[in-house]
Amino acid sequence: DVKVTQSSRYLVKRTGEKVFLECVQDMDHENMFWYRQDPGLGLRLIYFSYDVKMKEKGDIPEGYSVSREKKERFSLILESASTNQTSMYLCASSTGTVGYQPQHFGDGTRLSIL
Amino acid sequence: AQKVTQAQTEISVVEKEDVTLDCVYETRDTTYYLFWYKQPPSGELVFLIRRNSFDEQNEISGRYSWNFQKSTSSFNFTITASQVVDSAVYFCALSPYGGRGFKTIFGAGTRLFVKA
Repeated sequence: DVKVTQSSRYLVKRTGEKVFLECVQDMDHENMFWYRQDPGLGLRLIYFSYDVKMKEKGDIPEGYSVSREKKERFSLILESASTNQTSMYLCASSTGTVGYQPQHFGDGTRLSIL
Repeated sequence: AQKVTQAQTEISVVEKEDVTLDCVYETRDTTYYLFWYKQPPSGELVFLIRRNSFDEQNEISGRYSWNFQKSTSSFNFTITASQVVDSAVYFCALSPYGGRGFKTIFGAGTRLFVKA
């Protein structure tokens, strides 16, 4: 089974801090994704990557950046955390053509910015 | 524009009732994929089904069934004889077919409560 592991289940940070969320997958998937999940809004794509060192903006990239130095690891970075970035963050991975294969998700990181 | 609408925010049923979760989508693409995912309280979304736009056959898997109708742009999900373990948030999603740069669009989700 595919395993997508997010480094923290719960995280509390302060405004202005630089925050790193880490995600690792163990199935050699080409594609990796970061979403945020908010009540009533579903999942919104922040960034995705279809190859090492490649990245594409999603629908809400402002205030975020990503890094993919190795195929199995995809990091989400909040450059200067703000309270409106308090949310559930979900990492996912998939293989093959983006959009065709189902995505495999991690358990999520619930991030609170105080 | 691509869009997925799940008009039902929350549904509450009693165990053994049948329940249908609605999903309506918008896309100009002729080739696309539709998905349903389940998110139990543990948080991890789990893939349930994928359908491509050229296959309108309904599908049944145990107590789960899916009804895809292109004419109404709907991809509804029915749980027969619901159980407490079915309590979760269910997401419908749309993916236009293609290579790099295509995104999956998720609906807002429907939270299902199944009471014993």
